[in-house]
Amino acid sequence: AQKITQTQPGMFVQEKEAVTLDCTYDTSDQSYGLFWYKQPSSGEMIFLIYQGSYDEQNATEGRYSLNFQKARKSANLVISASQLGDSAMYFCAMREGGWTGNQFYFGTGTSLTVIP
Amino acid sequence: GAVVSQHPSRVICKSGTSVKIECRSLDFQATTMFWYRQFPKQSLMLMATSNEGSKATYEQGVEKDKFLINHASLTLSTLTVTSAHPEDSSFYICSGEGPVGEQFFGPGTRLTVL
Repeated sequence: AQKITQTQPGMFVQEKEAVTLDCTYDTSDQSYGLFWYKQPSSGEMIFLIYQGSYDEQNATEGRYSLNFQKARKSANLVISASQLGDSAMYFCAMREGGWTGNQFYFGTGTSLTVIP
Repeated sequence: GAVVSQHPSRVICKSGTSVKIECRSLDFQATTMFWYRQFPKQSLMLMATSNEGSKATYEQGVEKDKFLINHASLTLSTLTVTSAHPEDSSFYICSGEGPVGEQFFGPGTRLTVL
């Protein structure tokens, strides 16, 4: 089974609107971390947001928020007030094994295009 | 966030030559660094986990004799692609591990083997 599933290969959003990028994960660990990264056309992977499995509140970082639904094993990224510079590939990732584990899994990515 | 640099950013070489890629954590110490390769429009594929002062752990299917990894200090890991062939052409990205297990990535190295 896939550890990280991103079902949206491509998404379009109007500038200034919000968009949700889906991510579901599969793990039997109790302690894990969930991450979102942005990869613009330059290729660099930019860390956006982190959610720990024991965090009760959804993580937020500026215009990014992570909609964490543990029972459903989903960790969707919400980008509010989209900007043209948000056009990029977005990868969901998971780290298993708590603080000492080093199993890190990436999803296949979602290509987001912001339309002016 | 933490900064990771990679050098070179782009390299073109002839088939049969070796290429060394450096990965440096500039403002933090990375006990663990990771090396990935990424093909166009695909996700990152983990090649190996590099631990400072010990041998790298390679993922299944990655030839350790072809992709030599050295992690001699807490801020530097190197990947050497030995006897490169055109099929080794790819985008290679390194990352250093942060305090909550997040990975901070370098800008990547685009390798083209002629």
